[in-house]
Amino acid sequence: ETGVTQTPRHLVMGMTNKKSLKCEQHLGHNAMYWYKQSAKKPLELMFVYNFKEQTENNSVPSRFSPECPNSSHLFLHLHTLQPEDSALYLCASSRDRGVLSGNTIYFGEGSWLTVV
Amino acid sequence: QQQVKQSPQSLIVQKGGISIINCAYENTAFDYFPWYQQFPGKGPALLIAIRPDVSEKKEGRFTISFNKSAKQFSLHIMDSQPGDSATYFCAASYARQLTFGSGTQLTVLP
Repeated sequence: ETGVTQTPRHLVMGMTNKKSLKCEQHLGHNAMYWYKQSAKKPLELMFVYNFKEQTENNSVPSRFSPECPNSSHLFLHLHTLQPEDSALYLCASSRDRGVLSGNTIYFGEGSWLTVV
Repeated sequence: QQQVKQSPQSLIVQKGGISIINCAYENTAFDYFPWYQQFPGKGPALLIAIRPDVSEKKEGRFTISFNKSAKQFSLHIMDSQPGDSATYFCAASYARQLTFGSGTQLTVLP
């Protein structure tokens, strides 16, 4: 248990569906992240939020829409996805934005998304 | 320049053997090099990390060796155990952002 909880753990959706992934952290952290993990590829940073404000969007298509209502919750809204978007979506948090010695990123267990 | 190249893609080691995973980078501005361990069905977890002013860091059976001039760093797992079977990711940080390697799937045979 890392203190970062993601739901649902598995999601199958059609290309015309709208669904959301939810992340909650119980660590008192100020920064939250969405990563995409595809088979045999490096983890890709998608979005970064610091104190509820989006600080980074790594050229993610608009069919992925993040929402951060407070420092403990992060959502990823999904709309008209493509089959190539099927992947493991990982939420993470850290005390402060970014990675430095002593500012560890803690990952959730991920949400497996399959787009059919 | 932001890439971190990791090898091998998969590794099979006998119990008690040494597992070695290598990573190489180009960007000399990277200032922090963590390794993450990911078990099936779990998210990655920080295993060990090193800063570029240190050539080696050891924590239990895990050692990072860092060669700044060659822009390479590696993870050594001594006395590898079946419980070490997982995917290992190297990473490098610049401007407070992590760049991950593509991962190495380690299998330790009993």
